[in-house]
Amino acid sequence: GAVVSQHPSWVICKSGTSVKIECRSLDFQATTMFWYRQFPKQSLMLMATSNEGSKATYEQGVEKDKFLINHASLTLSTLTVTSAHPEDSSFYICSARGITKTSSGEQYFGPGTRLTVT
Amino acid sequence: AQSVAQPEDQVNVAEGNPLTVKCTYSVSGNPYLFWYVQYPNRGLQFLLKYITGDNLVKGSYGFEAEFNKSQTSFHLKKPSALVSDSALYFCAVRDSLYNFNKFYFGSGTKLNVKP
Repeated sequence: GAVVSQHPSWVICKSGTSVKIECRSLDFQATTMFWYRQFPKQSLMLMATSNEGSKATYEQGVEKDKFLINHASLTLSTLTVTSAHPEDSSFYICSARGITKTSSGEQYFGPGTRLTVT
Repeated sequence: AQSVAQPEDQVNVAEGNPLTVKCTYSVSGNPYLFWYVQYPNRGLQFLLKYITGDNLVKGSYGFEAEFNKSQTSFHLKKPSALVSDSALYFCAVRDSLYNFNKFYFGSGTKLNVKP
């Protein structure tokens, strides 16, 4: 149990275009979802926290108009990188927090999405 | 402020030998500590956590970690390393004061287990 999926796993897009990344909790309801960004050989940096049905809370320095987050249901959150630029190329990881059969309130991480902007 | 430090970028160990991956923490409030493992191009997998209770925490895949309050450390250990343990390991602390959802990750330690 407690599986989080991300789609796509790898995406290449042209500079100036937008790309959407999906994060789904497959077997539990995620009251809160999180989006992280990981640069090569570096740690994860929290970008934003989203609660179902409400606006996301962005960390300092993260542009909310550039990284649009929608948490439309208890099992789905999306991150849209708008007007992507090469510096947006990164590994994006989501995590979901919810109540499963074995734990309460833990965060479970998705497999990540590699974004390359050319 | 909450933070964790992983002083070693890389740890090399021979298969069958014990391994230790170091982590020290700095927290305001109670420390909620975690270890995660990441394989190439994959997300993080939970290994173990310390919230309260016994200082020695046992986790997945034979890993364990010892919480040491006086040394503010939470080192990850395994008695006998496997080649398949080679991966990137992250120590993390959970904010216990202001935002319980927020994790602070260390910089990561690459573990290389040689056959």
